[in-house]
Amino acid sequence: DGGITQSPKYLFRKEGQNVTLSCEQNLNHDAMYWYRQDPGQGLRLIYYSQIVNDFQKGDIAEGYSVSREKKESFPLTVTSAQKNPTAFYLCASSIVGGSRETQYFGPGTRLLVL
Amino acid sequence: GESVGLHLPTLSVQEGDNSIINCAYSNSASDYFIWYKQESGKGPQFIIDIRSNMDKRQGQRVTVLLNKTVKHLSLQIAATQPGDSAVYFCAESNKPGGKLIFGQGTELSVKP
Repeated sequence: DGGITQSPKYLFRKEGQNVTLSCEQNLNHDAMYWYRQDPGQGLRLIYYSQIVNDFQKGDIAEGYSVSREKKESFPLTVTSAQKNPTAFYLCASSIVGGSRETQYFGPGTRLLVL
Repeated sequence: GESVGLHLPTLSVQEGDNSIINCAYSNSASDYFIWYKQESGKGPQFIIDIRSNMDKRQGQRVTVLLNKTVKHLSLQIAATQPGDSAVYFCAESNKPGGKLIFGQGTELSVKP
């Protein structure tokens, strides 16, 4: 089955700790994205990458970091600098070029602070 | 600034009725629009999309209408079923694959 996987489903962070959320896709998509969703709100873009070894900040990048060493993988690190990390984190991917570059989403990771 | 918003945060319909979910956008340069369905605790699921050179697009039980004059987008669901209960988001960008701007979402509740 082709798709996007995120792990873990739930993640607990202690104060001052960095945690890393995994996102993998086997859709052969060039672009990958990380969004944050707070209760009752829409999605806000954290980081995105359109090609391996390159990524750009989204609207709320502070306190987060990413890497894109492989086309299939786009891990997100929530650093201790992110003071309000509790949220639902969604990874998405899309093709680049063409007439319909719809973003497809993974199942999400819920991050909770202990 | 650019924004995408929804007129109604909640919508309750009877099973079998048609549902209409509305969305307003403010960026006249937006070229591409998508509707997503998000069930509780899950990632958004693509429903249907439309380019700005179209007024209407139909899928299975769903229709998206785009009125560029008033910058309004709507999602129509025919014969709404309990499985349609979810939060529906519209999203827009100025090109396919560009940054998506999401609205707040509308929660659709289907009564049996």
